[in-house]
Amino acid sequence: DIQMTQSPSSLSASVGDRVTITCRASQGIRNDLGWYQQKPGKAPKRLISTASILQSGVPSRFSGSGSGTEFTLTISSLQPEDFATYFCLQHNTYPLTFGGGTKVEI
Amino acid sequence: QVTLRESGPALLKPTQTLTLTCSFSGFSLTTSPMCVTWIRQPPGKALEWLALIDWEDDEYYNPSLRPRLTISKDTSRNQVILRMTKMDPVDTATYYCARCFDFWGQGILVTVSS
Repeated sequence: DIQMTQSPSSLSASVGDRVTITCRASQGIRNDLGWYQQKPGKAPKRLISTASILQSGVPSRFSGSGSGTEFTLTISSLQPEDFATYFCLQHNTYPLTFGGGTKVEI
Repeated sequence: QVTLRESGPALLKPTQTLTLTCSFSGFSLTTSPMCVTWIRQPPGKALEWLALIDWEDDEYYNPSLRPRLTISKDTSRNQVILRMTKMDPVDTATYYCARCFDFWGQGILVTVSS
């Protein structure tokens, strides 16, 4: 199985901060990776597909980069509605695997 | 508009079989390259992928759970069904269905307890 190591597992930040979250794959997955935001009691929402493609309707402060084994989600200026849990998903190889999640807190 | 909704029992006893239904709209599972996948998340833990079925009826499973899982689809009803046998308290989780990897349902909490 491809292991997805996500870091950090949690972080404290303030409104306006730049936040960076990383997912590392145990083997190359090209750019077959998505980033998701999850708020309590809500369905996860995909922010980024194919490592760097911003989904329609997602604010431009979110961006994704990387290919192969190292991927990054960046929030350029954290907004109050961005406090949530973020996770990555690789869909290059079965079984599909997730990062452990990053909880972004105030 | 793509929507998915999970339905099934909220409470099961150990050894029972779980049957979950994903009812969807806004897309067809007969069209390439569509798929529906099931994922679960135990309370306070990470997400775990369970199974996927695609427009060609190909099925993919998490090997760690494969003996217990069956995924199927009813295209006339726009539904995908997941069966998991021999449920155990460790299977207590919120179960999600999703269209491939973009739109997700709200999830259903399934508790396994005697």
